[in-house]
Amino acid sequence: EVQLLESGGGLVQPGGSLRLSCTASGFTFTTYAMTWVRRVPGKGLEWVSAISGDSATIFYVDSVKGRFAVSRDNSKNTLFLNMNSLRAEDTATYYCAKYYETWSPPFDHWGQGTLVTVSS
Amino acid sequence: QLVLTQPPSASASLGASVKLTCTLDSGHNNYAIAWYQQQPEKGPRYLMKVTSDGSHIKGDGIPDRFSGSRSGAERYLTISSLQSEDEADYYCQIWAIGIVVFGGGTKLTVL
Repeated sequence: EVQLLESGGGLVQPGGSLRLSCTASGFTFTTYAMTWVRRVPGKGLEWVSAISGDSATIFYVDSVKGRFAVSRDNSKNTLFLNMNSLRAEDTATYYCAKYYETWSPPFDHWGQGTLVTVSS
Repeated sequence: QLVLTQPPSASASLGASVKLTCTLDSGHNNYAIAWYQQQPEKGPRYLMKVTSDGSHIKGDGIPDRFSGSRSGAERYLTISSLQSEDEADYYCQIWAIGIVVFGGGTKLTVL
């Protein structure tokens, strides 16, 4: 059974940093691209970033470029999202998800999410 | 630019059917899309991919009550025999190299 478990969320001040983790199990982690998606309270889903299985290809939504960095440790089946220069508009529940195919959406398994609150 | 448009809300009665719509922008109306369900306080759940020819590829364990189709730039998610647990937000998704876009979502109320 595929399982994804996010952690690392919390309350952080504007301009601060946070590192999210997503621990995966139940599939061959190195084979699949992974992604981060967020949901702002009261709004819809927004794709944030994606990383290929070998970390060679990485994409970001424009609003986080230069502030967020996605990475993965395939030896530990773990995906990361380093978030810097956080803004109030980054407040959201962050979900990690697995790509359906090696490097092609859709996202067939999701975690339960971790809440990030950016506030002073 | 990839754009998906969804009506913000829909409602239907318990046991009835409902057809949710996702409209693709004119430049991408032959693209495949995916549908997701998000129940309150839960992570999103992958329902199906609707291909450019209108066929659909479902996620694991998705009941037959859920089906997908297309007509031109419209993509549809039909839910039949509505149950109370179908009350949720439904999102469509489209993608290209380096970008993934979700529609604004439709909140489905089961009456």
